[in-house]
Amino acid sequence: EVQLVQSGAEVKKPGESLKISCKGSGYRFSSYWIGWVRQMPGKGLESIGIIYPYDSDTRYSPSFQGPVTISADKSISTAYLQWSSLKASDTAIYYCARRDCGGDCRGGFDIWGQGTMVTVSS
Amino acid sequence: DIQMTQSPSSLSASVGDRVTITCRASQTISIFLSWFQQKPGKAPNLLIYAASSLESGVPSRFSGSGSGTDFTLTISNLQPEDFATYYCQQSYSSSLTFGGGTRVEIK
Repeated sequence: EVQLVQSGAEVKKPGESLKISCKGSGYRFSSYWIGWVRQMPGKGLESIGIIYPYDSDTRYSPSFQGPVTISADKSISTAYLQWSSLKASDTAIYYCARRDCGGDCRGGFDIWGQGTMVTVSS
Repeated sequence: DIQMTQSPSSLSASVGDRVTITCRASQTISIFLSWFQQKPGKAPNLLIYAASSLESGVPSRFSGSGSGTDFTLTISNLQPEDFATYYCQQSYSSSLTFGGGTRVEIK
């Protein structure tokens, strides 16, 4: 079964750093783009960016106001989303999702992780 | 950056109704358009890809159409489990932007 499993919920204070993860299984992880999506409380879906684990090619959505860093370790089939200094406005659910293609392609997301709730509060 | 505009933002409908949701891209995206369903507390679920292709396991009452800049998701014979929020997403550019969502509520 193809699936993405994300790390658990986090509660952090403003200014703290954080790295959440997304582990793929059931398919060749390095051959498909992985994307990250934010959903703020009661709001819609916002694309943050994507990474191609094969060569770590990373593209951030121009409309997303970060800053965040996307990375991946293909040897353990895991993608990451990290913050160096969290703000209260980073409170949201973060989803990873697999893009149904690799390399230079135009496929959309087909498989989603279960989401990671990040709460930033003093 | 490609902007995606969905309408309406919400609608009320009854079981058995036919529902249509539209999505407009700010520039042509060919057929690189997906539709997702999201229920409260759950991750989005892919319904339609490449504008009109039905994802495996998705009921045939869901259908998609369109190309270029204008797209439509139609749910025929609305069922109780279809009350949810629906999103379109373009995949023509790597920004992979979403529409604002359409909440389908019970009338």
